[in-house]
Amino acid sequence: GQNIDQPTEMTATEGAIVQINCTYQTSGFNGLFWYQQHAGEAPTFLSYNVLDGLEEKGRFSSFLSRSKGYSYLLLKELQMKDSASYLCAVVDSNYQLIWGAGTKLIIKP
Amino acid sequence: GAVVSQHPSWVICKSGTSVKIECRSLDFQATTMFWYRQFPKQSLMLMATSNEGSKATYEQGVEKDKFLINHASLTLSTLTVTSAHPEDSSFYICSARDPGKTTEAFFGQGTRLTVV
Repeated sequence: GQNIDQPTEMTATEGAIVQINCTYQTSGFNGLFWYQQHAGEAPTFLSYNVLDGLEEKGRFSSFLSRSKGYSYLLLKELQMKDSASYLCAVVDSNYQLIWGAGTKLIIKP
Repeated sequence: GAVVSQHPSWVICKSGTSVKIECRSLDFQATTMFWYRQFPKQSLMLMATSNEGSKATYEQGVEKDKFLINHASLTLSTLTVTSAHPEDSSFYICSARDPGKTTEAFFGQGTRLTVV
């Protein structure tokens, strides 16, 4: 079966750095998305990785290792507004999105 | 970036009635749109894939006669929840891919459906 694993919840301090991990086992791989979702709202796009390595975009960076079936989202200089759920999603061989359950990130002052 | 507009944002309806949710791609033509449902504290779950001009493809366990999907044009897909029941209360989200930007999936704002 297909499976995406993320931690359920993480807590971090404002101004700090946090890394949210995602491991996956899917039938084929055509890329991995990270989305941010605030409560009661639709997800918003953060990043897309299809090749190994680190993609940096401002305070957010995303890393992918296809051989390990592993990705992480790195958030720097955390702000209170970063409190949200972060969803990892993999595009499988049929170009369908397989979603993780999301990681709820709580930022404390 | 591409914009997907979903309407309404929230709706309350009586048990047994039907509710229609619209999903529009505002600045691109979406040959394929996706409908998701999300229960509280759970992941997005794909309900169906909507293809313009043809029948939708439903995921296993999703009743096609209950969740009617129509994709009559390249910019509009609708999801109708027929004979809604309280257990259908959920957050429904549509998504569309811009053929010119295959690395992103754009989401509508979502519709919070409450059936009383």
